[in-house]
Amino acid sequence: EAGVAQSPRYKIIEKRQSVAFWCNPISGHATLYWYQQILGQGPKLLIQFQNNGVVDDSQLPKDRFSAERLKGVDSTLKIQPAKLEDSAVYLCASSLDGQGVLYGYTFGSGTRLTVV
Amino acid sequence: GESVGLHLPTLSVQEGDNSIINCAYSNSASDYFIWYKQESGKGPQFIIDIRSNMDKRQGQRVTVLLNKTVKHLSLQIAATQPGDSAVYFCAEITWWVSGNTGKLIFGQGTTLQVKP
Repeated sequence: EAGVAQSPRYKIIEKRQSVAFWCNPISGHATLYWYQQILGQGPKLLIQFQNNGVVDDSQLPKDRFSAERLKGVDSTLKIQPAKLEDSAVYLCASSLDGQGVLYGYTFGSGTRLTVV
Repeated sequence: GESVGLHLPTLSVQEGDNSIINCAYSNSASDYFIWYKQESGKGPQFIIDIRSNMDKRQGQRVTVLLNKTVKHLSLQIAATQPGDSAVYFCAEITWWVSGNTGKLIFGQGTTLQVKP
């Protein structure tokens, strides 16, 4: 079974520029999550999708971050404009069901963003 | 508020010794806990989980203990190996009141260093 695919692996941009990350979850996984992991900290949930609907985006800085999962499969996360404090690893995860209990969450390797 | 924390940021052990990584959580409503291992440049990887109606669960070389009275979780790794060197996170799931989905919240992480 293929894992969660993310691209790009690394991205360096200047502040105030825009950037987009892509995630392809495991086939058939209904729930998709985007996490932000700042160096030395645990991942923080940004947004959670169930199929193509948003379940929770309470931690997403909506003035600059946006995410979509149009066909209920792959997803993109965008930052516009980027700030220095957005430097982090952006992790995508998916689970077969919304609970993640029965089947667990699977994480991708992440995109490391550096804003200079 | 919701938070999951670990007691020590770094733990250094000798190869072959047993390791114990601790975690304190604050949300007494959480009913499912997971330990993740994260190696450099990779996403978190599932190790073991435990439901709140259990106090102990064993896997291969790993044991998770849950003490709901003091809201404490621990991960024990037997005969620690160099390949166990990584950052370990505890995480909790709290269910949404509505809907069939939960929210995965991570703690800060403990770096395990295994000395040969």
